[in-house]
Amino acid sequence: GAGVSQSPRYKVAKRGQDVALRCDPISGHVSLFWYQQALGQGPEFLTYFQNEAQLDKSGLPSDRFFAERPEGSVSTLKIQRTQQEDSAVYLCASSLRREGRDTQYFGPGTRLTVL
Amino acid sequence: GDSVTQMEGPVTLSEEAFLTINCTYTATGYPSLFWYVQYPGEGLQLLLKATKADDKGSNKGFEATYRKETTSFHLEKGSVQVSDSAVYFCALSLPGRLAFGKGNQVVVIP
Repeated sequence: GAGVSQSPRYKVAKRGQDVALRCDPISGHVSLFWYQQALGQGPEFLTYFQNEAQLDKSGLPSDRFFAERPEGSVSTLKIQRTQQEDSAVYLCASSLRREGRDTQYFGPGTRLTVL
Repeated sequence: GDSVTQMEGPVTLSEEAFLTINCTYTATGYPSLFWYVQYPGEGLQLLLKATKADDKGSNKGFEATYRKETTSFHLEKGSVQVSDSAVYFCALSLPGRLAFGKGNQVVVIP
């Protein structure tokens, strides 16, 4: 079946604009994760959903970042009033079981550039 | 807290050479350990994993053994190809997330 998909693949925003990044996980996967990957670094955890419940948002860097997964499938990461330091690749991953104790499958990422 | 440390710097080597990428971890429990690979322009792909001490993960000629006594999970391949050029990330599982190392870029020269 299809893997994890993300859209858009690339996003350029002017500083101060709001952006919305979409993630379509693998069908039936309970857990969904968002990570932020700065240039030359490893992915850093942002937030975790179990079905529609956001169980951990401790990695979100500021209150400008907001994520939702209202029906337990598609998820959206929203960044309000973007800043240059938000420029990064945003990765979404899903896994079949709770807490991602099994393999996490990653999407291709959305590369956000804030000018 | 629980974390992963990878050796510093890119790795450049010739085709058919032996590859080792070091990974050590700090963990209070018994996490699963992973190696992910990121090819240019693509997302992270699981390369191999090990779920308990002394387990050996293997895939596409790559191997890594979960060594509790040295808290290590080094990645090895006996004979690399140009197509192995990519960035390799070591990771450990935490409840509700993965913790990644900084990654190592591997460049294989023909």
